[in-house]
Amino acid sequence: AQKITQTQPGMFVQEKEAVTLDCTYDTSDPSYGLFWYKQPSSGEMIFLIYQGSYDQQNATEGRYSLNFQKARKSANLVISASQLGDSAMYFCAMREGTTTQGGSEKLVFGKGTKLTVNP
Amino acid sequence: NAGVTQTPKFRILKIGQSMTLQCTQDMNHNYMYWYRQDPGMGLKLIYYSVGAGITDKGEVPNGYNVSRSTTEDFPLRLELAAPSQTSVYFCASSYWGSSIQETQYFGPGTRLLVL
Repeated sequence: AQKITQTQPGMFVQEKEAVTLDCTYDTSDPSYGLFWYKQPSSGEMIFLIYQGSYDQQNATEGRYSLNFQKARKSANLVISASQLGDSAMYFCAMREGTTTQGGSEKLVFGKGTKLTVNP
Repeated sequence: NAGVTQTPKFRILKIGQSMTLQCTQDMNHNYMYWYRQDPGMGLKLIYYSVGAGITDKGEVPNGYNVSRSTTEDFPLRLELAAPSQTSVYFCASSYWGSSIQETQYFGPGTRLLVL
C-alpha cells in the first residue's frame, strides 16, 4: 500500500489565484512528520513546509500553508496568490516516528503533482 | 556554506561501464541519502548512511554500492551500468537528532543516461 498518495498528476491555476495540492498518507504511527518539496524545471528539490502530527495548528510559511486534517489523513498544500514562478512539480513526503521511539530516518515520497500557473 | 554538492551534473554511460557519483555536504549532518528519480515519478531511496562507516539499504539498492568514510562524503558506485539505471540521482543530508522536524537538504542532482 502506498504511504503517500498524490492523486492530481497535473493542476492548472491562474496567476494570483489560490490553489490546493492534495496529499493523503497512510501510517499507524502516532508520531510522524509531513513535508512538502518543490521541484522546478531546473531539477533541484526545495523544502517548502513541515507539519508534525502533534502540531495543534496548521503550518504556514509565507504564501504556503498546510491544510492538515489528521482524522482524514490528509495534508494538502495551499499556495495563495500564485505566481508564474510557482510552476513546478510538488512532492509530499512523510517521515514516521522519532529517534527516541526508534522511528524512521527515511522519507517516503509521493509521485508528485505538476502545477502550471497561467498568466 | 555550499550545502550539498554533487558531481558530475550529467553523464552518459555505456552498458556495463562503471562510475561513481560523488556527494559532499558541509553542514556536518550525520545522515546522508541517495535517491533516484525516474521520469514522472517521485524519489526512491537507494541507500542511506547514519554516520561514517555505517550504511544501509533503501527501497531500490540493487546495482549500487555505497561507502562512507567521512562525515562529509557519501559516494554512490554503479558497477555494471544497465539501461534501467537511467535516472536522475539526488544526494541529500539531514541532521537526525531528537526531533522529527529536521528536513533533508538536497543536492542539485546528477542526470545519468545509460545506452
